[in-house]
Amino acid sequence: DTGVSQDPRHKITKRGQNVTFRCDPISEHNRLYWYRQTLGQGPEFLTYFQNEAQLEKSRLLSDRFSAERPKGSFSTLEIQRTEQGDSAMYLCASSSGPWRDPNTGELFFGEGSRLTVL
Amino acid sequence: SQQGEEDPQALSIQEGENATMNCSYKTSINNLQWYRQNSGRGLVHLILIRSNEREKHSGRLRVTLDTSKKSSSLLITASRAADTASYFCATPWGRFGAGTRLTVKP
Repeated sequence: DTGVSQDPRHKITKRGQNVTFRCDPISEHNRLYWYRQTLGQGPEFLTYFQNEAQLEKSRLLSDRFSAERPKGSFSTLEIQRTEQGDSAMYLCASSSGPWRDPNTGELFFGEGSRLTVL
Repeated sequence: SQQGEEDPQALSIQEGENATMNCSYKTSINNLQWYRQNSGRGLVHLILIRSNEREKHSGRLRVTLDTSKKSSSLLITASRAADTASYFCATPWGRFGAGTRLTVKP
């Protein structure tokens, strides 16, 4: 399977705990995106990487959220001190595109990581 | 705002009927994309229409783009129960609206 993969698919945690999600994009894609989606809503943009550089980060993202893409391949999204409001589906997508061209191109999404904070 | 906004929020039709969903946006764009999401799954790219195109077809899908009105529409012809899903438009910056939830009744 050469699609975008995310791990874990489901995570249940207690409030205050830290969680980390991993995304493996399509190998030849240089761009990687993270989104958050709650029930009945569209994907909310969180951040985007071009290779290993984090080029954009949503102002909605609190300091408890951090994302990395250390070698320009896989990426991790960490949420520290989770709150019940963090319960959502976290989606990763990848695409190819020129450096600093803001157009995403066709996005290929993973199946998402569902977080439940108790 | 960089995101698109879909209308209606929900649409319920019978199998065989056509379904039309609309998207409005506020900033100038050079392309617009449409995606589908089945319940609890990731999004799947349907079609991209460029600003110099007014209409584009892909199978049973027909997308139009009116840059003067900053709007786009997605038409699904001869709908099937398998078309039941949420449909989103996306601006070039990867911003999505709340989507249209389509239910096709057999």
